[in-house]
Amino acid sequence: DIVLTQSPLSLSVTLGQPASFSCRSSQSLVGSDGKTYLNWFQQRPGQSPRRLIHKVSERDSGVPDRFSGSGSGTDFTLKISRVEAEDVGVYYCMQGSHWPPWTFGQGTKVEIK
Amino acid sequence: EVQLVESGGGLVQPGGSLRLSCAASGFTFSDYWMHWVRRGPGKGLMWVSHITSDGTSRDCADSVKGRFTISRDNAKNTLYLQMNSLRVEDTALYYCARDDPGIGIDIWGHGTMVIVSS
Repeated sequence: DIVLTQSPLSLSVTLGQPASFSCRSSQSLVGSDGKTYLNWFQQRPGQSPRRLIHKVSERDSGVPDRFSGSGSGTDFTLKISRVEAEDVGVYYCMQGSHWPPWTFGQGTKVEIK
Repeated sequence: EVQLVESGGGLVQPGGSLRLSCAASGFTFSDYWMHWVRRGPGKGLMWVSHITSDGTSRDCADSVKGRFTISRDNAKNTLYLQMNSLRVEDTALYYCARDDPGIGIDIWGHGTMVIVSS
């Protein structure tokens, strides 16, 4: 099974400052079709997860452009260019390249300083 | 509006059973693969089970294999999770989620809480 390791596990950020989260895979996430199915989800307190980014870097509809995804192979990054108060929550990476099982990272908890 | 609404959670003793349901609306349910994902107290997200659009193929996590069964009724636009031989460690908020073809999980329900305790 593929293991996704996220770091850091928690992050305290000043409003307006950037934030960056890492997701590393135990093996390449390039699928049999040549595409990489690495997605990022945000889960705000008391809410369901919401997908922000799909296939490494494609922003979902309605997601602010301060969120961006990058990476390839086994190393991936989610960046927030300027953190806002509504960004508090837990961020998960998830792979759908090699299944079953679909796997999630442990999550990175973001709070405001 | 695309919507997934879970129900059927509750308090059950270890060894007991529950059946979760997920009512889908706002999209053509029979066109989509579906998943169950859970989040235990103080834990992260864990994929539980998956079923193809026509219900002919399904998978589940090793930790629930032989105890949980996913199914669907496309005529009723409803996804199910039959959970037997429940354990304390199955305590979690259970979400149903839609699989966006060629991309992955996109839409999530609000979840239904399962508590396994004596």
